Amino acid sequence: GAGVSQSPSNKVTEKGKDVELRCDPISGHTALYWYRQSLGQGLEFLIYFQGNSAPDKSGLPSDRFSAERTGGSVSTLTIQRTQQEDSAVYLCASSFRGTSGRIGANVLTFGAGSRLTVL
Amino acid sequence: KQEVTQIPAALSVPEGENLVLNCSFTDSAIYNLQWFRQDPGKGLTSLLLIQSSQREQTSGRLNASLDKSSGRSTLYIAASQPGDSATYLCAVNYGGSQGNLIFGKGTKLSVKP
Repeated sequence: GAGVSQSPSNKVTEKGKDVELRCDPISGHTALYWYRQSLGQGLEFLIYFQGNSAPDKSGLPSDRFSAERTGGSVSTLTIQRTQQEDSAVYLCASSFRGTSGRIGANVLTFGAGSRLTVL
Repeated sequence: KQEVTQIPAALSVPEGENLVLNCSFTDSAIYNLQWFRQDPGKGLTSLLLIQSSQREQTSGRLNASLDKSSGRSTLYIAASQPGDSATYLCAVNYGGSQGNLIFGKGTKLSVKP
């Protein structure tokens, strides 16, 4: 697609429910990233996928959080047993990897985000 | 601990002024540094990316500089316009996992007509 698409744009859920957030990256981008932005806070890294390599999960805050990327394209971020502190905007980005001389290489393109509210 | 700090947190200027946004980072062994803008309720838009081997990058009225030795980057905006009003974020990539950008909390810029 022309940009990074995220769905849903808004999600309100009750504490304890599971939620799934979807990200459709730019076609041809091998790298995909999930970040979280809480009110008044900076962006917090969650997880990173690059091609067929094992994902970097070092930013996931707890084992309630997981993500997968199917076929090297669409990614789903799953939050189980949601808590109120999970309320945030979840941002997805994609990029293509390349040398510094290649225009656009390593530049992240972000989606508009999924705003999650846990009541 | 690798940290990125942006000062000031908020800035208000009259239209037409030239301005500088500051970003500092604690570890100078960076891979690259990016400046983003974020409009309310929107995602981030990449403005400029500076590789560790570069000193500056320019795009239109924007100029970003990088001084690794002092752990600083600046974003210079010339002849500011009301449409420049947004939050500007600085992000440092330390390589290794290239996905792990460390973001500052941003500078909220307001350009008054």
